[in-house]
Order: sequence, then C-alpha cells, then structure tokens
Amino acid sequence: SQQGEEDPQALSIQEGENATMNCSYKTSINNLQWYRQNSGRGLVHLILIRSNEREKHSGRLRVTLDTSKKSSSLLITASRAADTASYFCATDASGGGADGLTFGKGTHLIIQP
Amino acid sequence: AAGVIQSPRHLIKEKRETATLKCYPIPRHDTVYWYQQGPGQDPQFLISFYEKMQSDKGSIPDRFSAQQFSDYHSELNMSSLELGDSALYFCASSLGPSPLHFGNGTRLTVT
Repeated sequence: SQQGEEDPQALSIQEGENATMNCSYKTSINNLQWYRQNSGRGLVHLILIRSNEREKHSGRLRVTLDTSKKSSSLLITASRAADTASYFCATDASGGGADGLTFGKGTHLIIQP
Repeated sequence: AAGVIQSPRHLIKEKRETATLKCYPIPRHDTVYWYQQGPGQDPQFLISFYEKMQSDKGSIPDRFSAQQFSDYHSELNMSSLELGDSALYFCASSLGPSPLHFGNGTRLTVT
C-alpha cells in the first residue's frame, strides 16, 4: 500500500477561498515534503517539514505535521487561479542514505476564477 | 538558475524496442533519482545514485537499467518495451537527501 495517501483526490474551490489537503503515511519519517505539479510538467518542491516540527509557514502555505497520527496537512490561503495543479506529499523515510522519496497519490486542486 | 535537463522531451517507441533517457542534474548536486509516473498516478521511485554509485532501488523492472557517468549525467535504459511502460519519466537531483529538483520529464509512448 502507498506510503502517502492524500485526500481529497480532487478539490474545486472559488478563487480567494482557502484550500486544505491532507496526507497520511505509514512508516517513520525524517521529514515530509509537499510538491506541486502542473499538468505534464515536473514536480516543484513547495515546503519541507521535519519530523520534530509541528507547523511551518511559507508565504500563503501552511503545513502541519502530526507524527502521532502519521498525518500532515497543506493549507493554501487566499487561493488564486494559478494555484490550479496537483499537489503531492512525499515522505523521506528514516534510515538515511539517498533513498527515493515516497509520494502519495496527490490532490488535484482546481481554482475557479 | 540551472535546472535539471532531461532529453528527449517526447519519445515514441514500439513494443520490444529499446529506449534511452538522459538526465543532466543541477551542477554540484550529488544525488540523482529516476521516477516513473503513469497517467493520473503518483510518481514511483525507480532508482537513485549518490556520487555516481547506485544508492537505492525501488520498483524498477529488470528490463530497465541506469547509470551515472563521470560528468554526473545519468541515463535510464529500457529494453523490451511493453505497452505498460508508457509514462512520464522524471529525473530529479539534490544536494544531500532533499529537497528534490525535478526535470520536466520525458514522455514515453510505447505503441
């Protein structure tokens, strides 16, 4: 089963509203990251939260991490049409080395102008 | 700033043919990763290299192989292509374990 599971799978909101996406994972992690992907393009790193952090902000992004529940949320405030994209959480499992990140299935976010 | 460069951007092959995908990581990045993303799917980790040595393997089929060269570019070789290999193939690089910087991918279509 997937390390990272996101919900909702799709989210459509009006421009200016806030968008919240959730991610759950199964194993111990060093950190959790959120990436954004526009259709057919490469993933772009948004924010990283370490396992000993509970909340992190970057511009209009707010990420929370609850290691006891093995879950994270990404909040995008004051959404814009340009925020339309797929958003993936990815976990960097404990254990070290250049292990690949494990991605969740993503949330497709549509911002209606 | 320089980004991860992948070539070709698009590739069309027939079943049982061979394909080679190339990746040029960001200069001074020491780790390269390859991911496969099927339509509507999440990226699946294939393989990674740290300082030109294979570091970790994910769900990479035996028909696929990869290497990283002395100039740090990497190639993903795919043989005996199957229809199910049609996907976006991403290369990413990093300095240290994370975050990853992704290229724009190679879209492989197997017919």
